Order: sequence, then C-alpha cells, then structure tokens
Amino acid sequence: GAGVSQSPSNKVTEKGKDVELRCDPISGHTALYWYRQSLGQGLEFLIYFQGNSAPDKSGLPSDRFSAERTGGSVSTLTIQRTQQEDSAVYLCASSYGQGAHGYTFGSGTRLTVV
Amino acid sequence: RKEVEQDPGPFNVPEGATVAFNCTYSNSASQSFFWYRQDCRKEPKLLMSVYSSGNEDGRFTAQLNRASQYISLLIRDSKLSDSATYLCVVPVGGSQGNLIFGKGTKLSVKP
Repeated sequence: GAGVSQSPSNKVTEKGKDVELRCDPISGHTALYWYRQSLGQGLEFLIYFQGNSAPDKSGLPSDRFSAERTGGSVSTLTIQRTQQEDSAVYLCASSYGQGAHGYTFGSGTRLTVV
Repeated sequence: RKEVEQDPGPFNVPEGATVAFNCTYSNSASQSFFWYRQDCRKEPKLLMSVYSSGNEDGRFTAQLNRASQYISLLIRDSKLSDSATYLCVVPVGGSQGNLIFGKGTKLSVKP
C-alpha cells in the first residue's frame, strides 16, 4: 500500500482480555518495527522483524506480549490478559533494509484498558 | 552517557524567531542520523536526514558534529505550524532495529 496501515485505530478492552493489533507495512519494505508510546512519553521499542524473523525481542515488556509476521508482510502484535498499564498508542513502522533512509510510521492503535 | 539525549524543552519562541536544538549520542560508529517531527497525538514523521556534510531544506538546517557526537536542528523564521516535538534519531546497528529515538524536544511557536 501507499503507507503503513494499522488496525484498529482505537481499541477499548476490559482488563484481562486479549487483544490483537495489526500492521500492514509499505509494500516491499523488508523490516517492520513495533513501538509503544504512553501519554506524554517517548517511543518505547518493542520488537522488530527482518523478513519473518525477529532478531531482537528484548523490548517486549512481558511474556503477555508476542508478535509474529507472516509472508514478510503483515504483522500482528498480541497482548494477552491485558492490564491497565498496557494502555498506550502502539505504533508500527517499516523500512527498506536496515532503515538507512529512516522509518515510515503508521498512525497507530490507541489501546485503552478499562 | 545515554544512547540519545535531548533537552525536553519546552522551547517557547515567537513567530519569526530562530531556534536550535541539539542532540547528543553515545555510539561513535553511527553513520546516518535523522530528525523526526511528531505532532500532538500523531505518529512521528521524517523531517530530514542528517549526513556527514549536513543538509538544508528551506528554513531547516541539520548539522552533524561527529567529533563531539552531536547533531543539531536549526529552524529559521519559525511558523506557528512548526509547533511540535522534534525527535532525534540515531542508528546503532544490531538490536532495536538499528535506530534509537530520543525522547524529543518540544517546540511551541507563539503569535
């Protein structure tokens, strides 16, 4: 597609429920990144994919968080048993190769856990 | 030293002013750098890349001081629409997808 597409744009969920966030990167971009941003805070790195592989998962906050990427394209970030502290904007970005020309971000998913 | 450090601001300036932000980084091997702009409740967007010789794009000038390990962003003739948070981005290679984002400097341009 023309840009990075994320869905849903907004998600309100009850504490303890599981959620899935989707990212569709720019066509041809081999690298895909997940960040989250709490209100008024900086970007917190979560995980990145090169193709379907995730060289670095160290940013995932806990084992309730997981992500996968299939076909070198769409990625899904799953949060199990959501907690209120998971409330944030989850941003996805993609790039060619190693990101030497920067990343392009999607507009994010605003997750609210009530 | 933290990997990327920025003065959080806020920088409050009048329209037409010139304002400059600095960003320091710790990885001396870093090659290409970026400035991103993030508007309130929006995603970050690439403003400009910063290469060894620095570069200029209209009212915006980005420079790299490799010896002192900092990059700068200069905005001339500030506009109200320049109000945003400016993120310094540094490549580190390997983990975290190769780019580290600073926490940003907030700029507010007043009439």
